[in-house]
Amino acid sequence: GESVGLHLPTLSVQEGDNSIINCAYSNSASDYFIWYKQESGKGPQFIIDIRSNMDKRQGQRVTVLLNKTVKHLSLQIAATQPGDSAVYFCAENQDSEKLVFGKGTKLTVNP
Amino acid sequence: NAGVTQTPKFQVLKTGQSMTLQCAQDMNHEYMSWYRQDPGMGLRLIHYSVGAGITDQGEVPNGYNVSRSTTEDFPLRLLSAAPSQTSVYFCASSYTLYQETQYFGPGTRLLVL
Repeated sequence: GESVGLHLPTLSVQEGDNSIINCAYSNSASDYFIWYKQESGKGPQFIIDIRSNMDKRQGQRVTVLLNKTVKHLSLQIAATQPGDSAVYFCAENQDSEKLVFGKGTKLTVNP
Repeated sequence: NAGVTQTPKFQVLKTGQSMTLQCAQDMNHEYMSWYRQDPGMGLRLIHYSVGAGITDQGEVPNGYNVSRSTTEDFPLRLLSAAPSQTSVYFCASSYTLYQETQYFGPGTRLLVL
């Protein structure tokens, strides 16, 4: 089965609210995690990454949190905008040559 | 830089036909990979290459062949298309995979009748 998964397949938020997208992983040896954004009809686009020696990393309006104790990853988007509507995937680097992707969460931002 | 390019954007095949999906990158990336994406699912790795002349299988390699004769190009071949291969195919590249994000192409939508 999927070693990287998401708790919720869909998430609907109001414009301006904060969004939190969750991801669980099962391989405790994974040492690198990435969040991707995929808009309709396009390829995945890198958002932010985090290495296993960190528990938090911030970007522009986005924050990734890593909890290795419970093998949980989250993506926080501040002041969510309509342009943030997309499917978000987490991915883990289980070994040096492969990424494993979760199934994705569809984020809908309501005006 | 054009980044990662894929051709064609759309393709319809009949069962049993063969075709090659093209992927090219101009970033001098060593690592290239092919994924397929099916509805409601994440991306699944088909094949990957850590450099010219080197390829390896991913999670779902059956029915697909690859080769890497140059750093820039990584074509994916379907020798005898099957309806189960109807999917969206993405090519990706990076300098390395370990501790490195991948850059994805725009995808090829394939329908096998």
